[in-house]
Amino acid sequence: GENVEQHPSTLSVQEGDSAVIKCTYSDSASNYFPWYKQELGKGPQLIIDIRSNVGEKKDQRIAVTLNKTAKHFSLHITETQPEDSAVYFCAATVTGNQFYFGTGTSLTVIP
Amino acid sequence: DTAVSQTPKYLVTQMGNDKSIKCEQNLGHDTMYWYKQDSKKFLKIMFSYNNKELIINETVPNRFSPKSPDKAHLNLHINSLELGDSAVYFCASSNAPGAEAFFGQGTRLTVV
Repeated sequence: GENVEQHPSTLSVQEGDSAVIKCTYSDSASNYFPWYKQELGKGPQLIIDIRSNVGEKKDQRIAVTLNKTAKHFSLHITETQPEDSAVYFCAATVTGNQFYFGTGTSLTVIP
Repeated sequence: DTAVSQTPKYLVTQMGNDKSIKCEQNLGHDTMYWYKQDSKKFLKIMFSYNNKELIINETVPNRFSPKSPDKAHLNLHINSLELGDSAVYFCASSNAPGAEAFFGQGTRLTVV
């Protein structure tokens, strides 16, 4: 099955700075890469996703990049705010199959 | 209206007991999941049902038995609870396997 690695496991940034979380995957057939945000006491929620036919996708302050050749993808958050503090999970899957989640990154934005 | 709801939110029970966690989704989705999140926040899939049929059954002790009475419900029954079963259990649903998943708020199970 797919193996998704995620780094770093914890990340602290000053408010207003950027945060970058990186993931690698093993199955070259994977073609869908969602990112989930889990706030304290809640379930994970999709924040952005990217498919393998696209190299980059942006939604306001968050963006995701995908390098299919290197089999890695990254989440970029710009102008971080305290409400961005959460645990972030990357995932990889072949459409129609189950997700394989990364190990999570605990992001803390320091006011 | 809560899209994916699970009950109870908290469950404290003694070793050896049998307990159930219920999950309901009102999104009209065909696929439902159970995930286990341990103390290190790892999210591990346990089961997946599509149209009431079991499609994923990861390496989970057979003390765990999912039941899907209809497409909107996926319950999790756990027999002979052990200390290592303590975790947060999340139910989720999607309109197809591997599509965007909507998670419930989680059930924090503590076995003492």
